[in-house]
Amino acid sequence: DTEVTQTPKHLVMGMTNKKSLKCEQHMGHRAMYWYKQKAKKPPELMFVYSYEKLSINESVPSRFSPECPNSSLLNLHLHALQPEDSALYLCASSQGGITDTQYFGPGTRLTVL
Amino acid sequence: QKEVEQDPGPLSVPEGAIVSLNCTYSNSAFQYFMWYRQYSRKGPELLMYTYSSGNKEDGRFTAQVDKSSKYISLFIRDSQPSDSATYLCASGDTGTASKLTFGTGTRLQVTL
Repeated sequence: DTEVTQTPKHLVMGMTNKKSLKCEQHMGHRAMYWYKQKAKKPPELMFVYSYEKLSINESVPSRFSPECPNSSLLNLHLHALQPEDSALYLCASSQGGITDTQYFGPGTRLTVL
Repeated sequence: QKEVEQDPGPLSVPEGAIVSLNCTYSNSAFQYFMWYRQYSRKGPELLMYTYSSGNKEDGRFTAQVDKSSKYISLFIRDSQPSDSATYLCASGDTGTASKLTFGTGTRLQVTL
């Protein structure tokens, strides 16, 4: 099973709202990732958690706040977003080694009004 | 210069054709290479993974890596309309663990 699940599938929020995106994997992977993807562009790395600790933050604005409650779950808390933050947010996981393949979830399509 | 370059297409081929998708990269430290397929409004799906140079075959798909020329290829034999998608190449090095560099993706259309 190489499944990464993400909820919700779609999210519409206003600029003053607070919402969270959720990601889950049960493959025993120890690294989890958040990516942002705009239309017709490749995924852009936002955050990497390795063994439940934040290991990479690609200078993402503080209105995006990641959280890794345990090795299977990854959240992305959203607050005071801008319309330009509208995108497909992808979660991925990998075993945690330096040459590991990353498996992606289906994504959450976020629209900020 | 981007670290991974990929022709965005679109590439249109008739059903049954052999498709060749290519990427070039500039970072000599890249050691592992992947191809992902992404259907419209879906997450990327891993197709092929190759470590260092060489060929790898899986069904109708063959991945090739030539590190001397920094060239990555994906061949699709007997292409089907269901292969219509965007194909993303990605590369990584062992120095920056878990950080992939993606190409921009090539949009492929297989017509009946």
